[in-house]
Amino acid sequence: DGGITQSPKYLFRKEGQNVTLSCEQNLNHDAMYWYRQDPGQGLRLIYYSQIVNDFQKGDIAEGYSVSREKKESFPLTVTSAQKNPTAFYLCASTLTGPLRTEAFFGQGTRLTVV
Amino acid sequence: GEDVEQSLFLSVREGDSSVINCTYTDSSSTYLYWYKQEPGAGLQLLTYIFSNMDMKQDQRLTVLLNKKDKHLSLRIADTQTGDSAIYFCAETKSYNTDKLIFGTGTRLQVFP
Repeated sequence: DGGITQSPKYLFRKEGQNVTLSCEQNLNHDAMYWYRQDPGQGLRLIYYSQIVNDFQKGDIAEGYSVSREKKESFPLTVTSAQKNPTAFYLCASTLTGPLRTEAFFGQGTRLTVV
Repeated sequence: GEDVEQSLFLSVREGDSSVINCTYTDSSSTYLYWYKQEPGAGLQLLTYIFSNMDMKQDQRLTVLLNKKDKHLSLRIADTQTGDSAIYFCAETKSYNTDKLIFGTGTRLQVFP
């Protein structure tokens, strides 16, 4: 079955550590996105990528980094520079061009700083 | 601007209709979406509408778009307890858009 998979579902990080969240899709989608969700604030865009080896900052990119070495994969690293990383992180993918309609979402990763 | 706004909460009785509202600021939006999020899960697309349409109906769901007022609504007929979730509207500008902009989400609670 085609879909988009995030792992792990839950992640705990000590202060000062970097952690990497995984996002993999087998939908042959060109574009992939990372969003952060906090209560009452909806989804905020962190980074997005429309093509392999290229990505752009979203609205809240500070303290995060990404890579897009493969079409299927778009990992997000939460660095120690991110001052308030505890949140629910969602990855999404879409087609691009005239075939684009909906975004497909993973099930999310809940990151907690301990 | 790229703001998309929604009210945070809506509470309805089972069997009644629910209407969730959304306003957006960018008149160049081309696609407008409604997504549903159940607790601890990702987002699931419910329906979408092109900006050149006024209305779209899909079973219990009716989407109304008022481009002049930049207002989008989602009506759920015969609301059930299983409809309890957070509902997000979202917009995108063009086929090759760089972003999908989400609203703040409306938490719908259905009581018996």
